[in-house]
Amino acid sequence: QKEVEQDPGPLSVPEGAIVSLNCTYSNSAFQYFMWYRQYSRKGPELLMYTYSSGNKEDGRFTAQVDKSSKYISLFIRDSQPSDSATYLCAMTRGVSGNTPLVFGKGTRLSVIA
Amino acid sequence: GAGVSQTPSNKVTEKGKYVELRCDPISGHTALYWYRQSLGQGPEFLIYFQGTGAADDSGLPNDRFFAVRPEGSVSTLKIQRTERGDSAVYLCASSQDRGSGNTIYFGEGSWLTVV
Repeated sequence: QKEVEQDPGPLSVPEGAIVSLNCTYSNSAFQYFMWYRQYSRKGPELLMYTYSSGNKEDGRFTAQVDKSSKYISLFIRDSQPSDSATYLCAMTRGVSGNTPLVFGKGTRLSVIA
Repeated sequence: GAGVSQTPSNKVTEKGKYVELRCDPISGHTALYWYRQSLGQGPEFLIYFQGTGAADDSGLPNDRFFAVRPEGSVSTLKIQRTERGDSAVYLCASSQDRGSGNTIYFGEGSWLTVV
Protein backbone atom coordinates (compact mmCIF):
# COMPACT_ATOMS: atom_id res chain seq x y z
CA GLN A 1 0.00 0.00 0.00
CA LYS A 2 1.33 3.41 -0.96
CA GLU A 3 1.59 6.06 1.75
CA VAL A 4 -0.82 8.34 -0.14
CA GLU A 5 -3.68 7.05 -2.27
CA GLN A 6 -5.50 9.22 -4.80
CA ASP A 7 -7.97 8.16 -7.48
CA PRO A 8 -6.41 9.18 -10.81
CA GLY A 9 -9.77 9.71 -12.52
CA PRO A 10 -10.31 11.10 -15.08
CA LEU A 11 -13.15 13.16 -13.65
CA SER A 12 -15.37 15.11 -16.03
CA VAL A 13 -17.94 17.65 -14.78
CA PRO A 14 -20.10 20.39 -16.36
CA GLU A 15 -19.20 24.02 -15.83
CA GLY A 16 -20.63 25.35 -12.55
CA ALA A 17 -20.57 21.98 -10.77
CA ILE A 18 -19.09 21.40 -7.34
CA VAL A 19 -16.03 19.19 -7.57
CA SER A 20 -14.85 16.94 -4.76
CA LEU A 21 -11.32 15.54 -4.83
CA ASN A 22 -9.83 13.42 -2.08
CA CYS A 23 -6.87 11.45 -0.81
CA THR A 24 -6.32 8.89 1.89
CA TYR A 25 -3.04 8.24 3.65
CA SER A 26 -1.54 5.68 5.97
CA ASN A 27 1.20 7.54 7.85
CA SER A 28 -0.26 9.11 11.00
CA ALA A 29 2.88 11.29 11.32
CA PHE A 30 1.75 13.53 8.45
CA GLN A 31 0.86 16.96 9.83
CA TYR A 32 0.92 19.32 6.84
CA PHE A 33 -1.37 18.84 3.89
CA MET A 34 -1.29 20.54 0.53
CA TRP A 35 -3.12 20.58 -2.78
CA TYR A 36 -1.26 21.40 -5.97
CA ARG A 37 -2.69 22.09 -9.42
CA GLN A 38 -0.70 20.98 -12.44
CA TYR A 39 -1.57 22.04 -15.97
CA SER A 40 -0.37 19.93 -18.87
CA ARG A 41 3.42 20.13 -19.30
CA LYS A 42 3.75 22.60 -16.41
CA GLY A 43 5.12 22.32 -12.88
CA PRO A 44 2.84 21.88 -9.83
CA GLU A 45 1.39 25.11 -8.42
CA LEU A 46 0.43 25.31 -4.74
CA LEU A 47 -3.31 25.89 -4.24
CA MET A 48 -4.00 25.19 -0.58
CA TYR A 49 -1.98 24.48 2.55
CA THR A 50 -3.46 23.16 5.79
CA TYR A 51 -1.92 22.23 9.11
CA SER A 52 -3.51 19.39 11.08
CA SER A 53 -7.27 18.82 11.04
CA GLY A 54 -9.90 21.32 10.00
CA ASN A 55 -11.14 23.36 7.07
CA LYS A 56 -9.58 26.17 5.09
CA GLU A 57 -11.32 28.26 2.48
CA ASP A 58 -9.81 30.41 -0.27
CA GLY A 59 -12.23 31.80 -2.82
CA ARG A 60 -13.87 28.91 -4.67
CA PHE A 61 -11.57 26.35 -3.01
CA THR A 62 -12.06 24.61 0.34
CA ALA A 63 -9.59 22.14 1.81
CA GLN A 64 -10.62 19.72 4.55
CA VAL A 65 -8.44 17.48 6.68
CA ASP A 66 -9.75 14.66 8.88
CA LYS A 67 -6.74 13.20 10.64
CA SER A 68 -8.82 10.67 12.56
CA SER A 69 -9.87 9.10 9.26
CA LYS A 70 -6.59 9.90 7.46
CA TYR A 71 -8.64 11.57 4.72
CA ILE A 72 -8.24 14.93 3.01
CA SER A 73 -10.48 16.66 0.50
CA LEU A 74 -10.47 19.60 -1.88
CA PHE A 75 -13.76 21.13 -2.96
CA ILE A 76 -14.06 23.44 -5.95
CA ARG A 77 -17.24 25.50 -6.17
CA ASP A 78 -18.64 26.96 -9.41
CA SER A 79 -16.06 25.03 -11.44
CA GLN A 80 -14.72 26.69 -14.59
CA PRO A 81 -13.13 25.27 -17.75
CA SER A 82 -9.90 26.93 -16.58
CA ASP A 83 -9.94 24.56 -13.58
CA SER A 84 -9.25 21.66 -15.96
CA ALA A 85 -5.94 20.26 -14.74
CA THR A 86 -4.44 17.49 -12.64
CA TYR A 87 -4.84 18.01 -8.89
CA LEU A 88 -2.16 16.52 -6.65
CA CYS A 89 -2.46 16.07 -2.92
CA ALA A 90 0.79 16.21 -0.95
CA MET A 91 1.68 15.85 2.69
CA THR A 92 4.67 15.95 5.02
CA ARG A 93 5.63 15.20 8.61
CA GLY A 94 7.17 18.57 9.32
CA VAL A 95 8.32 21.88 7.93
CA SER A 96 12.03 21.23 7.86
CA GLY A 97 13.52 20.55 4.47
CA ASN A 98 14.45 16.99 5.32
CA THR A 99 10.81 15.99 5.58
CA PRO A 100 10.04 15.89 1.88
CA LEU A 101 6.59 16.10 0.38
CA VAL A 102 4.85 12.80 -0.39
CA PHE A 103 2.45 13.15 -3.31
CA GLY A 104 -0.59 11.25 -4.49
CA LYS A 105 -0.82 10.17 -8.14
CA GLY A 106 -3.02 13.13 -9.02
CA THR A 107 -6.62 13.32 -10.24
CA ARG A 108 -7.18 14.56 -13.79
CA LEU A 109 -10.17 16.94 -13.91
CA SER A 110 -11.99 18.21 -16.99
CA VAL A 111 -14.62 20.95 -16.66
CA ILE A 112 -16.80 21.03 -19.74
CA ALA A 113 -18.29 24.36 -20.89
CA GLY B 1 14.79 35.32 -11.27
CA ALA B 2 11.01 35.50 -11.23
CA GLY B 3 10.55 31.77 -10.87
CA VAL B 4 12.42 28.48 -10.80
CA SER B 5 14.10 28.02 -14.15
CA GLN B 6 15.02 24.59 -15.54
CA THR B 7 17.03 23.72 -18.61
CA PRO B 8 16.72 21.96 -20.94
CA SER B 9 12.95 21.85 -21.07
CA ASN B 10 13.17 18.73 -23.23
CA LYS B 11 15.97 16.24 -23.68
CA VAL B 12 16.05 13.10 -25.80
CA THR B 13 19.08 10.89 -25.27
CA GLU B 14 20.21 7.41 -26.17
CA LYS B 15 20.39 4.62 -23.63
CA GLY B 16 23.77 4.59 -21.95
CA LYS B 17 24.51 8.29 -22.42
CA TYR B 18 25.24 10.88 -19.72
CA VAL B 19 22.76 13.69 -19.03
CA GLU B 20 22.90 16.91 -17.02
CA LEU B 21 19.80 18.84 -16.00
CA ARG B 22 20.12 22.35 -14.61
CA CYS B 23 18.02 24.24 -12.08
CA ASP B 24 18.21 27.95 -11.29
CA PRO B 25 16.14 28.59 -8.13
CA ILE B 26 14.34 31.74 -7.12
CA SER B 27 16.86 34.34 -6.04
CA GLY B 28 17.55 34.18 -2.31
CA HIS B 29 16.03 30.74 -1.81
CA THR B 30 18.37 28.59 0.26
CA ALA B 31 16.49 25.29 0.01
CA LEU B 32 16.43 23.39 -3.29
CA TYR B 33 14.74 20.12 -4.13
CA TRP B 34 14.73 17.68 -7.03
CA TYR B 35 11.69 15.49 -7.68
CA ARG B 36 10.97 13.00 -10.47
CA GLN B 37 7.52 12.56 -11.98
CA SER B 38 6.80 9.54 -14.17
CA LEU B 39 3.81 9.44 -16.50
CA GLY B 40 0.56 9.17 -14.55
CA GLN B 41 2.30 9.46 -11.18
CA GLY B 42 2.83 12.17 -8.61
CA PRO B 43 6.28 13.68 -8.08
CA GLU B 44 8.71 11.56 -6.03
CA PHE B 45 11.44 13.10 -3.91
CA LEU B 46 15.04 12.68 -5.03
CA ILE B 47 17.30 15.07 -3.10
CA TYR B 48 17.23 18.20 -0.92
CA PHE B 49 19.93 20.87 -0.62
CA GLN B 50 20.19 23.43 2.15
CA GLY B 51 22.80 25.85 0.85
CA THR B 52 25.64 23.99 -0.85
CA GLY B 53 25.24 20.67 0.93
CA ALA B 54 22.93 17.77 0.16
CA ALA B 55 20.98 17.49 3.42
CA ASP B 56 18.94 14.50 2.27
CA ASP B 57 19.70 12.34 -0.77
CA SER B 58 17.63 9.36 0.34
CA GLY B 59 15.39 9.54 -2.73
CA LEU B 60 18.13 9.04 -5.32
CA PRO B 61 17.31 5.66 -6.88
CA ASN B 62 20.88 4.43 -7.36
CA ASP B 63 24.46 5.58 -7.78
CA ARG B 64 23.91 6.59 -11.41
CA PHE B 65 22.18 9.69 -10.07
CA PHE B 66 24.12 12.55 -8.53
CA ALA B 67 23.39 16.22 -7.87
CA VAL B 68 25.52 19.21 -6.95
CA ARG B 69 24.97 22.80 -5.87
CA PRO B 70 28.52 24.15 -5.57
CA GLU B 71 27.75 27.81 -4.86
CA GLY B 72 24.44 27.42 -3.08
CA SER B 73 22.37 28.66 -6.00
CA VAL B 74 22.26 26.76 -9.32
CA SER B 75 22.00 22.98 -9.06
CA THR B 76 22.80 20.28 -11.60
CA LEU B 77 21.28 16.79 -11.57
CA LYS B 78 23.57 14.31 -13.31
CA ILE B 79 22.49 10.93 -14.63
CA GLN B 80 25.09 8.46 -15.84
CA ARG B 81 24.52 5.47 -18.13
CA THR B 82 20.90 6.44 -18.72
CA GLU B 83 18.28 3.71 -18.95
CA ARG B 84 14.85 3.77 -20.57
CA GLY B 85 13.29 3.67 -17.10
CA ASP B 86 14.87 7.06 -16.35
CA SER B 87 12.41 8.68 -18.78
CA ALA B 88 10.36 11.12 -16.70
CA VAL B 89 9.89 14.78 -15.87
CA TYR B 90 12.57 16.02 -13.49
CA LEU B 91 11.16 18.82 -11.36
CA CYS B 92 13.19 21.29 -9.39
CA ALA B 93 11.71 23.33 -6.53
CA SER B 94 13.03 25.95 -4.15
CA SER B 95 11.94 27.61 -0.94
CA GLN B 96 13.07 30.59 1.10
CA ASP B 97 13.41 28.90 4.43
CA ARG B 98 13.85 25.35 5.56
CA GLY B 99 11.02 24.17 3.42
CA SER B 100 7.63 24.75 4.97
CA GLY B 101 5.09 23.44 2.54
CA ASN B 102 3.42 26.72 1.82
CA THR B 103 6.50 28.28 0.27
CA ILE B 104 7.83 25.59 -2.07
CA TYR B 105 7.82 26.73 -5.71
CA PHE B 106 8.28 24.30 -8.60
CA GLY B 107 9.82 24.87 -12.00
CA GLU B 108 8.23 23.60 -15.20
CA GLY B 109 10.46 20.56 -15.32
CA SER B 110 12.94 18.97 -17.67
CA TRP B 111 11.26 16.28 -19.79
CA LEU B 112 13.78 13.48 -20.29
CA THR B 113 13.24 10.72 -22.84
CA VAL B 114 15.73 7.87 -23.08
CA VAL B 115 15.47 5.91 -26.33
